[in-house]
Amino acid sequence: SAVISQKPSRDICQRGTSLTIQCQVDSQVTMMFWYRQQPGQSLTLIATANQGSEATYESGFVIDKFPISRPNLTFSTLTVSNMSPEDSSIYLCSVGGEAGGSYNEQFFGPGTRLTVL
Amino acid sequence: GNSVTQMEGPVTLSEEAFLTINCTYTATGYPSLFWYVQYPGEGLQLLLKATKADDKGSNKGFEATYRKETTSFHLEKGSVQVSDSAVYFCALSDRTGFQKLVFGTGTRLLVSP
Repeated sequence: SAVISQKPSRDICQRGTSLTIQCQVDSQVTMMFWYRQQPGQSLTLIATANQGSEATYESGFVIDKFPISRPNLTFSTLTVSNMSPEDSSIYLCSVGGEAGGSYNEQFFGPGTRLTVL
Repeated sequence: GNSVTQMEGPVTLSEEAFLTINCTYTATGYPSLFWYVQYPGEGLQLLLKATKADDKGSNKGFEATYRKETTSFHLEKGSVQVSDSAVYFCALSDRTGFQKLVFGTGTRLLVSP
């Protein structure tokens, strides 16, 4: 399966600021996704990061708050903008199963633990 | 819409006990079903999967069978170990929404020696 890294692994930020999270994969993949896991909660899909075009956002998530870039087939960034304490979560990227698994599998990065004060 | 319902935790067991974590789903069509595991301080790992009715996924002693008639995908293990302590997530992937995963709320398993 693919090796997925995320930077930073954790951060503590002040409200009103923005943080950009990077996701790097060791092989080219078509599908990349960003999820949020709020404290003690399950994972919620934020958006699908599309290479060469705008990301596809799920209901309740907007581009102004969570801008996403996908400049190539191995890299994506998620920015959490104008942060508030409610944005404190673990943010995870994942890639589609073409990266070593079957088409309908996803492999997850280690996550970025964000705390907003 | 699609949804996954898991039994609430935490589930507390002694080592070598039998484990069942219930998972039921609601989906249109024929989803693929997954169990993911999240060990303390780590990301999600795919534990097992099943892609069609009556398929049995298995890995590391864990098993789950895709039951279309009861829309269930219960996770079982015959003898748990302390190292199995983790949070377990049931998830489905609807074939119409390419690879989108819908997760259950997760069940925390605590195994004591």
